[in-house]
Amino acid sequence: QKEVEQNSGPLSVPEGAIASLNCTYSDRVSQSFFWYRQYSGKSPELIMSIYSNGDKEDGRFTAQLNKASQYVSLLIRDSQPSDSATYLCAVEGVNSGYALNFGKGTSLLVTP
Amino acid sequence: DADVTQTPRNRITKTGKRIMLECSQTKGHDRMYWYRQDPGLGLRLIYYSFDVKDINKGEISDGYSVSRQAQAKFSLSLESAIPNQTALYFCATSDSGPGQGPYEQYFGPGTRLTVT
Repeated sequence: QKEVEQNSGPLSVPEGAIASLNCTYSDRVSQSFFWYRQYSGKSPELIMSIYSNGDKEDGRFTAQLNKASQYVSLLIRDSQPSDSATYLCAVEGVNSGYALNFGKGTSLLVTP
Repeated sequence: DADVTQTPRNRITKTGKRIMLECSQTKGHDRMYWYRQDPGLGLRLIYYSFDVKDINKGEISDGYSVSRQAQAKFSLSLESAIPNQTALYFCATSDSGPGQGPYEQYFGPGTRLTVT
């Protein structure tokens, strides 16, 4: 079983601060990585994908990938209360039809 | 209209009953997936399909079967439902093609299934 590990949280940050979410993975051959946001009882919503080492920015979100360290992170700048959700890290499984292996998620709470 | 739809959205059934969850997509994607989500266990893969003739078991396929009726439709069946199949079920789709990707997956709204 390929592992994807996330701190379950909750991670609490004040409004306007930077939230930093981290994820490690065990499968060295994995090439593609994803961050999803999930509100309680709702479906996962794709935030970002990344497959090259380094940073990828999209609006307030920045994904960071370090394949040598098997580490991927998500930074949320200017955090808003509406960002309060569970953030799922997902790693593409090469040997399972490119299905995603998910971490259990990090709960983020942004306080006004 | 939503690109990935699932029916029903909620279902309560009794132990031993056979039920079917349906997924349809208008994204034109080849790949379709079924996941279940349980509190504390995260999302786990049940089955996946590359196309109508290519269906594969995932991590937790026991007790489930699937049918890919067309490129756009992928159904999940519970042959004889049991209480520990109570969960939130998601269908997802992704594109395929040349190149490295990433091939992003898009999820349907989910079906909340309760087996009593």
